[in-house]
Amino acid sequence: SQTIHQWPATLVQPVGSPLSLECTVEGTSNPNLYWYRQAAGRGLQLLFYSVGIGQISSEVPQNLSASRPQDRQFILSSKKLLLSDSGFYLCAWSAGAGGNTIYFGEGSWLTVV
Amino acid sequence: DAKTTQPPSMDCAEGRAANLPCNHSTISGNEYVYWYRQIHSQGPQYIIHGLKNNETNEMASLIITEDRKSSTLILPHATLRDTAVYYCIVRPPDAGNMLTFGGGTRLMVKP
Repeated sequence: SQTIHQWPATLVQPVGSPLSLECTVEGTSNPNLYWYRQAAGRGLQLLFYSVGIGQISSEVPQNLSASRPQDRQFILSSKKLLLSDSGFYLCAWSAGAGGNTIYFGEGSWLTVV
Repeated sequence: DAKTTQPPSMDCAEGRAANLPCNHSTISGNEYVYWYRQIHSQGPQYIIHGLKNNETNEMASLIITEDRKSSTLILPHATLRDTAVYYCIVRPPDAGNMLTFGGGTRLMVKP
């Protein structure tokens, strides 16, 4: 069966520091991969999605970037965090060919102080 | 995605069936009904989805009315760990990365 893991689960970082959140998917090949952000009491905001290695689409211009160095690895990064980057970040995947169900990781709580 | 309407909150006794309704009167012919749930501080968990026919898996059953304008998610024997916010979503098959959560229903399972 397929599984998705992301880490770290919680992170407290000072303003201006770098960020790296990592996500891996097991049990499937060539998945579509996503990074979402969920603000408290609000819905999901799609940040990045990827249909293959090195292929990244950005939905919202911001202080963050994403990379996909391997087929089942997705990384969310920032060179200098802002206070507004605080939030709950979710990695997710769906089957690459015709798959419509999106499966989420455990989430990472980021607090920028 | 078509709009959905869910009650903001519901209570259910532990061990009893939890029936969570969802109205989606503007659903299009090719849109699927999806259910997710989110336990506090965790990522959303996929539960089940369907198009026209009723569906059942190890987690829940999904009952879709014949006109497809509403559906009900049934947790047959609710446990305390089923306490969560449940989201009903309708999506076309080519929705790709689009996933819009509404307010959902906060289900409280009580002992």
